[in-house]
Amino acid sequence: AQKITQTQPGMFVQEKEAVTLDCTYDTSDPSYGLFWYKQPSSGEMIFLIYQGSYDQQNATEGRYSLNFQKARKSANLVISASQLGDSAMYFCAMREGRNDYKLSFGAGTTVTVRA
Amino acid sequence: DTAVSQTPKYLVTQMGNDKSIKCEQNLGHDTMYWYKQDSKKFLKIMFSYNNKELIINETVPNRFSPKSPDKAHLNLHINSLELGDSAVYFCASSQTKPANTGELFFGEGSRLTVL
Repeated sequence: AQKITQTQPGMFVQEKEAVTLDCTYDTSDPSYGLFWYKQPSSGEMIFLIYQGSYDQQNATEGRYSLNFQKARKSANLVISASQLGDSAMYFCAMREGRNDYKLSFGAGTTVTVRA
Repeated sequence: DTAVSQTPKYLVTQMGNDKSIKCEQNLGHDTMYWYKQDSKKFLKIMFSYNNKELIINETVPNRFSPKSPDKAHLNLHINSLELGDSAVYFCASSQTKPANTGELFFGEGSRLTVL
């Protein structure tokens, strides 16, 4: 079964607007970590933000914030004030507590920012 | 100084050949990985090594043989290359919990094309 689901294959957003990328996850482990990575067209994988399952507050890193809804098992990424450089593929990933040695990735969402 | 470096960045080769990709990390991490990203951009773990010990081998054909001579290096050797092996191979490293979130630091990727 898919552990990480990203249902939006592609999205368009206007420059300076906010965009929300959906991510749902599946685990029975009470301890887990959720990650978002960005992959621009140049190909490198860039870590954006992390949320631990026991963290009380939603994670934020600059223009990135993670909308963590534990009961719904969702960890949506919000990018505020989109910039042209935000055009990229975005991956949601999860590490389950019982397995420290593996990050499982979703299929990714392509974001295109329009001027 | 590049944190996770892998060479070569590009490989073009004929079916049936053998090739190797090298990876080195200078972050002092204890865990290293190989991930495969296919043409649909899906990222799948292949191997994980912790302190030179193989921890994860995700049903990868035995034509793929990883080798970790020390904590800072993880190489990937592929025998008898097939068309389906064409992909981008990412090396990554992390420091296992509890002290860290366990985020992966990725190399730039090695694009393998099998003709």
